[in-house]
Amino acid sequence: KQEVTQIPAALSVPEGENLVLNCSFTDSAIYNLQWFRQDPGKGLTSLLLIQSSQREQTSGRLNASLDKSSGRSTLYIAASQPGDSATYLCAVEDTGGFKTIFGAGTRLFVKA
Amino acid sequence: GAVVSQHPSWVICKSGTSVKIECRSLDFQATTMFWYRQFPKQSLMLMATSNEGSKATYEQGVEKDKFLINHASLTLSTLTVTSAHPEDSSFYICSARRTRPSGPSTDTQYFGPGTRLTVL
Repeated sequence: KQEVTQIPAALSVPEGENLVLNCSFTDSAIYNLQWFRQDPGKGLTSLLLIQSSQREQTSGRLNASLDKSSGRSTLYIAASQPGDSATYLCAVEDTGGFKTIFGAGTRLFVKA
Repeated sequence: GAVVSQHPSWVICKSGTSVKIECRSLDFQATTMFWYRQFPKQSLMLMATSNEGSKATYEQGVEKDKFLINHASLTLSTLTVTSAHPEDSSFYICSARRTRPSGPSTDTQYFGPGTRLTVL
Protein backbone atom coordinates (compact mmCIF):
# COMPACT_ATOMS: atom_id res chain seq x y z
CA LYS A 1 0.00 0.00 0.00
CA GLN A 2 1.42 3.34 -1.10
CA GLU A 3 2.22 5.81 1.66
CA VAL A 4 3.34 9.39 1.13
CA THR A 5 5.21 11.32 3.80
CA GLN A 6 6.07 15.00 3.80
CA ILE A 7 8.74 16.64 5.89
CA PRO A 8 8.67 19.09 7.55
CA ALA A 9 5.05 19.33 8.64
CA ALA A 10 5.41 23.07 9.11
CA LEU A 11 8.00 25.65 8.17
CA SER A 12 8.42 29.34 8.94
CA VAL A 13 11.04 31.33 7.06
CA PRO A 14 11.89 34.99 6.49
CA GLU A 15 11.13 36.47 3.11
CA GLY A 16 13.82 35.92 0.48
CA GLU A 17 15.03 32.55 1.70
CA ASN A 18 15.41 29.57 -0.59
CA LEU A 19 13.72 26.50 0.83
CA VAL A 20 13.23 22.81 0.17
CA LEU A 21 10.17 20.72 0.90
CA ASN A 22 10.55 16.97 1.02
CA CYS A 23 8.25 14.16 -0.05
CA SER A 24 8.87 10.42 0.18
CA PHE A 25 6.79 7.49 -1.04
CA THR A 26 7.01 3.80 -0.28
CA ASP A 27 6.17 2.21 -3.64
CA SER A 28 8.30 3.28 -6.58
CA ALA A 29 5.79 1.99 -9.14
CA ILE A 30 4.25 5.37 -9.75
CA TYR A 31 2.64 6.91 -12.83
CA ASN A 32 3.47 10.47 -11.85
CA LEU A 33 4.03 12.79 -8.91
CA GLN A 34 2.39 16.14 -8.49
CA TRP A 35 2.93 19.09 -6.17
CA PHE A 36 -0.07 21.20 -5.20
CA ARG A 37 -0.63 24.35 -3.27
CA GLN A 38 -3.68 24.78 -1.05
CA ASP A 39 -4.66 28.05 0.58
CA PRO A 40 -6.79 27.92 3.76
CA GLY A 41 -10.35 26.89 2.99
CA LYS A 42 -9.63 26.64 -0.73
CA GLY A 43 -9.16 23.94 -3.33
CA LEU A 44 -5.98 22.65 -4.91
CA THR A 45 -3.71 24.54 -7.29
CA SER A 46 -1.45 22.28 -9.34
CA LEU A 47 2.12 23.55 -9.29
CA LEU A 48 4.23 20.93 -11.01
CA LEU A 49 3.58 17.49 -12.48
CA ILE A 50 6.47 15.08 -12.98
CA GLN A 51 5.89 11.98 -15.07
CA SER A 52 7.58 8.80 -13.88
CA SER A 53 10.10 8.99 -16.73
CA GLN A 54 11.14 12.54 -15.85
CA ARG A 55 13.67 13.74 -13.31
CA GLU A 56 12.51 17.30 -12.72
CA GLN A 57 10.16 20.08 -13.71
CA THR A 58 10.51 23.84 -13.35
CA SER A 59 8.04 26.67 -13.27
CA GLY A 60 9.22 30.14 -12.37
CA ARG A 61 10.73 30.07 -8.88
CA LEU A 62 9.67 26.46 -8.36
CA ASN A 63 11.67 23.37 -9.17
CA ALA A 64 10.58 19.84 -8.39
CA SER A 65 12.79 16.79 -8.67
CA LEU A 66 11.93 13.12 -8.68
CA ASP A 67 14.10 10.16 -7.74
CA LYS A 68 11.81 7.23 -8.28
CA SER A 69 14.30 4.57 -7.25
CA SER A 70 14.75 6.08 -3.81
CA GLY A 71 11.11 7.13 -3.49
CA ARG A 72 11.80 10.82 -3.05
CA SER A 73 10.81 14.16 -4.45
CA THR A 74 11.78 17.65 -3.45
CA LEU A 75 10.13 20.98 -4.15
CA TYR A 76 12.57 23.87 -4.23
CA ILE A 77 11.20 27.39 -3.81
CA ALA A 78 13.62 30.18 -4.63
CA ALA A 79 13.49 33.64 -3.11
CA SER A 80 10.40 32.95 -1.03
CA GLN A 81 7.70 35.61 -0.73
CA PRO A 82 4.87 36.15 1.77
CA GLY A 83 2.45 35.20 -1.00
CA ASP A 84 4.00 31.72 -1.02
CA SER A 85 2.48 31.07 2.41
CA ALA A 86 0.17 28.07 2.01
CA THR A 87 0.05 24.32 2.49
CA TYR A 88 2.02 22.36 -0.08
CA LEU A 89 0.80 18.86 -0.88
CA CYS A 90 2.71 16.10 -2.58
CA ALA A 91 0.60 13.50 -4.39
CA VAL A 92 1.57 10.25 -6.08
CA GLU A 93 -0.54 8.55 -8.74
CA ASP A 94 -0.08 4.81 -8.89
CA THR A 95 0.23 2.71 -12.03
CA GLY A 96 -2.59 0.32 -11.26
CA GLY A 97 -5.90 2.00 -10.74
CA PHE A 98 -4.40 5.46 -11.17
CA LYS A 99 -5.38 6.38 -7.66
CA THR A 100 -3.74 9.46 -6.21
CA ILE A 101 -2.37 9.26 -2.70
CA PHE A 102 -1.66 12.52 -0.92
CA GLY A 103 0.87 13.38 1.75
CA ALA A 104 -0.21 15.26 4.85
CA GLY A 105 1.30 18.48 3.53
CA THR A 106 3.83 21.06 4.64
CA ARG A 107 2.40 24.31 6.05
CA LEU A 108 4.65 27.13 4.93
CA PHE A 109 4.69 30.61 6.43
CA VAL A 110 6.91 33.24 4.86
CA LYS A 111 7.42 36.27 7.08
CA ALA A 112 7.68 39.71 5.53
CA GLY B 1 -6.48 24.33 -20.06
CA ALA B 2 -8.61 21.51 -18.73
CA VAL B 3 -11.20 22.60 -16.19
CA VAL B 4 -13.16 20.62 -13.64
CA SER B 5 -16.07 22.29 -11.89
CA GLN B 6 -17.99 21.32 -8.77
CA HIS B 7 -21.44 22.38 -7.74
CA PRO B 8 -22.30 23.62 -5.25
CA SER B 9 -19.14 25.21 -3.90
CA TRP B 10 -20.61 25.13 -0.40
CA VAL B 11 -23.76 23.74 1.18
CA ILE B 12 -25.29 23.78 4.64
CA CYS B 13 -27.95 21.23 5.45
CA LYS B 14 -29.85 19.78 8.37
CA SER B 15 -28.96 16.44 9.85
CA GLY B 16 -30.83 13.61 8.14
CA THR B 17 -31.13 15.22 4.73
CA SER B 18 -29.35 14.13 1.55
CA VAL B 19 -26.97 16.31 -0.41
CA LYS B 20 -25.86 15.87 -4.02
CA ILE B 21 -22.53 17.22 -5.27
CA GLU B 22 -21.77 17.41 -8.98
CA CYS B 23 -18.37 17.12 -10.62
CA ARG B 24 -18.08 18.13 -14.27
CA SER B 25 -15.21 18.09 -16.72
CA LEU B 26 -15.90 21.16 -18.85
CA ASP B 27 -13.72 20.72 -21.92
CA PHE B 28 -12.68 17.10 -21.90
CA GLN B 29 -14.10 13.64 -21.37
CA ALA B 30 -13.21 11.50 -18.40
CA THR B 31 -13.85 7.79 -18.18
CA THR B 32 -12.64 7.84 -14.59
CA MET B 33 -13.29 10.35 -11.85
CA PHE B 34 -12.24 10.25 -8.21
CA TRP B 35 -13.81 11.59 -5.02
CA TYR B 36 -11.76 12.77 -2.05
CA ARG B 37 -12.62 14.04 1.40
CA GLN B 38 -10.58 16.43 3.47
CA PHE B 39 -11.20 17.05 7.17
CA PRO B 40 -9.90 20.27 8.75
CA LYS B 41 -6.12 20.45 8.93
CA GLN B 42 -5.81 17.01 7.35
CA SER B 43 -4.84 15.85 3.90
CA LEU B 44 -7.08 14.51 1.16
CA MET B 45 -8.28 10.94 1.51
CA LEU B 46 -9.51 9.01 -1.50
CA MET B 47 -13.10 7.87 -1.01
CA ALA B 48 -13.95 6.15 -4.26
CA THR B 49 -13.13 5.69 -7.93
CA SER B 50 -15.98 6.44 -10.29
CA ASN B 51 -16.05 4.79 -13.72
CA GLU B 52 -18.47 5.86 -16.43
CA GLY B 53 -21.21 3.34 -16.93
CA SER B 54 -20.25 1.05 -14.08
CA LYS B 55 -20.36 0.86 -10.30
CA ALA B 56 -17.95 2.91 -8.28
CA THR B 57 -15.12 1.29 -6.37
CA TYR B 58 -14.97 2.39 -2.74
CA GLU B 59 -11.93 2.58 -0.51
CA GLN B 60 -11.84 0.56 2.67
CA GLY B 61 -13.91 2.12 5.41
CA VAL B 62 -16.11 4.21 3.10
CA GLU B 63 -19.79 3.26 3.26
CA LYS B 64 -21.11 2.82 -0.26
CA ASP B 65 -24.73 3.08 0.86
CA LYS B 66 -24.04 6.41 2.51
CA PHE B 67 -21.96 7.94 -0.27
CA LEU B 68 -23.76 7.17 -3.51
CA ILE B 69 -21.75 7.79 -6.66
CA ASN B 70 -23.19 7.96 -10.16
CA HIS B 71 -20.99 8.48 -13.23
CA ALA B 72 -23.70 8.65 -15.87
CA SER B 73 -21.73 10.39 -18.61
CA LEU B 74 -18.16 11.05 -19.66
CA THR B 75 -18.33 14.57 -18.24
CA LEU B 76 -20.37 14.19 -15.06
CA SER B 77 -20.05 12.31 -11.79
CA THR B 78 -22.24 12.92 -8.77
CA LEU B 79 -21.71 12.17 -5.09
CA THR B 80 -24.79 11.99 -2.89
CA VAL B 81 -24.32 12.04 0.85
CA THR B 82 -27.41 10.29 2.18
CA SER B 83 -28.87 10.97 5.61
CA ALA B 84 -26.07 13.39 6.37
CA HIS B 85 -24.84 13.81 9.93
CA PRO B 86 -22.53 16.41 11.48
CA GLU B 87 -19.58 14.02 11.23
CA ASP B 88 -20.00 14.10 7.43
CA SER B 89 -19.12 17.79 7.45
CA SER B 90 -16.00 18.04 5.32
CA PHE B 91 -14.43 19.41 2.16
CA TYR B 92 -15.20 17.13 -0.79
CA ILE B 93 -12.96 17.32 -3.87
CA CYS B 94 -13.31 15.47 -7.15
CA SER B 95 -10.81 14.85 -9.90
CA ALA B 96 -11.25 13.75 -13.49
CA ARG B 97 -8.78 11.74 -15.51
CA ARG B 98 -8.67 13.09 -19.04
CA THR B 99 -9.53 10.54 -21.73
CA ARG B 100 -10.49 12.68 -24.71
CA PRO B 101 -9.48 14.71 -26.61
CA SER B 102 -6.25 12.78 -26.83
CA GLY B 103 -2.95 14.57 -26.70
CA PRO B 104 -0.08 15.38 -24.35
CA SER B 105 -2.50 15.84 -21.44
CA THR B 106 -4.30 12.53 -21.89
CA ASP B 107 -4.39 10.55 -18.64
CA THR B 108 -3.67 13.65 -16.55
CA GLN B 109 -5.89 14.13 -13.50
CA TYR B 110 -7.48 17.51 -13.04
CA PHE B 111 -8.94 18.55 -9.72
CA GLY B 112 -12.13 20.44 -9.00
CA PRO B 113 -12.30 23.43 -6.62
CA GLY B 114 -14.03 21.47 -3.89
CA THR B 115 -17.38 21.58 -2.09
CA ARG B 116 -17.60 22.46 1.57
CA LEU B 117 -20.40 20.56 3.30
CA THR B 118 -21.63 21.61 6.72
CA VAL B 119 -24.26 19.46 8.41
CA LEU B 120 -26.05 21.07 11.32
